[in-house]
Amino acid sequence: DAMVIQNPRYQVTQFGKPVTLSCSQTLNHNVMYWYQQKSSQAPKLLFHYYDKDFNNEADTPDNFQSRRPNTSFCFLDIRSPGLGDAAMYLCATSRDIQPQHFGDGTRLSIL
Amino acid sequence: QKEVEQNSGPLSVPEGAIASLNCTYSDRGSQSFFWYRQYSGKSPELIMFIYSNGDKEDGRFTAQLNKASQYVSLLIRDSQPSDSATYLCVVNMYDNQGGKLIFGQGTELSVKP
Repeated sequence: DAMVIQNPRYQVTQFGKPVTLSCSQTLNHNVMYWYQQKSSQAPKLLFHYYDKDFNNEADTPDNFQSRRPNTSFCFLDIRSPGLGDAAMYLCATSRDIQPQHFGDGTRLSIL
Repeated sequence: QKEVEQNSGPLSVPEGAIASLNCTYSDRGSQSFFWYRQYSGKSPELIMFIYSNGDKEDGRFTAQLNKASQYVSLLIRDSQPSDSATYLCVVNMYDNQGGKLIFGQGTELSVKP
């Protein structure tokens, strides 16, 4: 089945140790998004790629970076994770302005 | 004023009843409206989308849109305990880079057996 796959499902890292989360999709969607969701809050958009064009939200910390080497894959890099970065990270995709489809998420814990 | 507002709940309904979830939005230019369901610890799941004024029905779910009033709602008929989840009202604000989803805070629904 076509889908959005996030790896790993659970990630534990140490304070300040770089971590990379991955997202792949078989939907051939041209837009890919990364969201951060903390407990009892709505998802917060960090950035998105529209085709190869990167769009960063104004309030996304510099600590968060993203790469999209090809249509199918997108990565979220957190350069120096702090305790406040512990959250669920959601990847979503869409075809232009069509509805977004979410992956299962990666739950990040910081020790 | 928040861009998308929902009652946070929890909204509690008995099994078999109609659950009514409401949402207002501030951007009159919004064109696309979505309802996502999110179970605890899971990712959001798209359950309905609506683009035009009026009602749109899909099984037990009916989405209603009134652009003049900037109001969108979701009705769940014959509510089941498995419908217990947080329902996110989402509005798509378009720009030249596709769209940006604006999420409401979500309404927690609890269906009691």
